[in-house]
Amino acid sequence: GDSVTQMEGPVTLSEEAFLTINCTYTATGYPSLFWYVQYPGEGLQLLLKATKADDKGSNKGFEATYRKETTSFHLEKGSVQVSDSAVYFCALLNSNDYKLSFGAGTTVTVRA
Amino acid sequence: KAGVTQTPRYLIKTRGQQVTLSCSPISGHRSVSWYQQTPGQGLQFLFEYFSETQRNKGNFPGRFSGRQFSNSRSEMNVSTLELGDSALYLCASSPGNRDRAYGYTFGSGTRLTVV
Repeated sequence: GDSVTQMEGPVTLSEEAFLTINCTYTATGYPSLFWYVQYPGEGLQLLLKATKADDKGSNKGFEATYRKETTSFHLEKGSVQVSDSAVYFCALLNSNDYKLSFGAGTTVTVRA
Repeated sequence: KAGVTQTPRYLIKTRGQQVTLSCSPISGHRSVSWYQQTPGQGLQFLFEYFSETQRNKGNFPGRFSGRQFSNSRSEMNVSTLELGDSALYLCASSPGNRDRAYGYTFGSGTRLTVV
């Protein structure tokens, strides 16, 4: 079945540092890939998405590129802020299915 | 445009009771999905409804059920509650067609505590 593997957290960074969260997936067909963010006490917010190989999703300074050859969708941000502290989830939506498969989530804490 | 609305936000129930959670999707969306989030198991898919029909179901016991109404609002029900059912229950909506690029929009969730 479909699965998503994220790097283990927690990740602690200083403000303005570079952030990378690794995400790899296993899926049949051609899934769409997503990054969601969850702030304390809230639901999930869609951060960015990519629907086919080599697509780059971007939003709020975050970027991720759909790499079919390495089955990866790593999240990056060049300069993090305290407000980026949250839990980040990588997810895939298979072309034959109607459910999201999520990674375990990575907790990111940014210190001033 | 209003987002996905889940009610109630918080709920405390006793073991053995049953509970019903509600979700109103974004206007015009016909698909509603439910997920359970716990610290130990992470985010797990419960079921998905489209035009009042269940299209997909996760690996949960029959105590977990759902339905969707003609206005696309959805409810999920958990009967004979167990302590392990304590979780954040998230609802997500999407247009429901095959446009995978849309993704899903989530509500803020219902925090269920079973005591």
